[in-house]
Amino acid sequence: QVQLVESGGGVVPPGRSLRLSCAASGFTFSRHGMHWVRQAPGKGLEWVAVISYHGTNTYYGDSVKGRFTISRDNSKNTLYLQMNSLRSEDSALYYCVREMGTESSSYDFWGQGTLVTVSS
Amino acid sequence: SYVLTQPPSVSVAPGQTARITCGGDNGGTRNVHWYQQKPGQAPVLVVYDDRGRPSEIPERFSGSNSGNTATLTISWVEAGDEADYYCQVWHSPTDHWVFGGGTKLTVL
Repeated sequence: QVQLVESGGGVVPPGRSLRLSCAASGFTFSRHGMHWVRQAPGKGLEWVAVISYHGTNTYYGDSVKGRFTISRDNSKNTLYLQMNSLRSEDSALYYCVREMGTESSSYDFWGQGTLVTVSS
Repeated sequence: SYVLTQPPSVSVAPGQTARITCGGDNGGTRNVHWYQQKPGQAPVLVVYDDRGRPSEIPERFSGSNSGNTATLTISWVEAGDEADYYCQVWHSPTDHWVFGGGTKLTVL
């Protein structure tokens, strides 16, 4: 079965960096676009970034562009999010999400999330 | 940036029909997706591309789109349907994925 397992979250001071990982299994990872979506405590969902199935194309939400970098290693079935210059407003649960595929831009599988807290 | 607008809350009695709307600015929305999120859980896709339904989702969940407004309809509402519901689209001019603000469904 499809599994997405995030890791790398934690408590970090403002201005520092953090790298999230997402281990994928149960499907052909290299055939799907992958996203990061975040949710601040008690708030709604916010799209963060997307990377195409081959890794060539990436796009970012306005609030993280220039600070975050999404990447993937298809040989390791792993998705990454490098987060630099972290701010308190980046504190959230970060979900790794699979895009359904060429037939739809929807998200058909979500991980359980990894919590990032930016605080001094 | 593109904005999707949802009502903050909808309340309905068990057995009744709940309708949650999602409006896009600039007059239109296309290929709208809907997610259900229960407390402490990751979101689950319930409708994709306006009216598609994943095989594991009950037929009570359906979607429609008039072009200006997309609607998630939940028929024969049950207590277990109480959750937050989010609409989403891919905004092709910017290659951004956009979520609505979410609607809290309360089953009275």
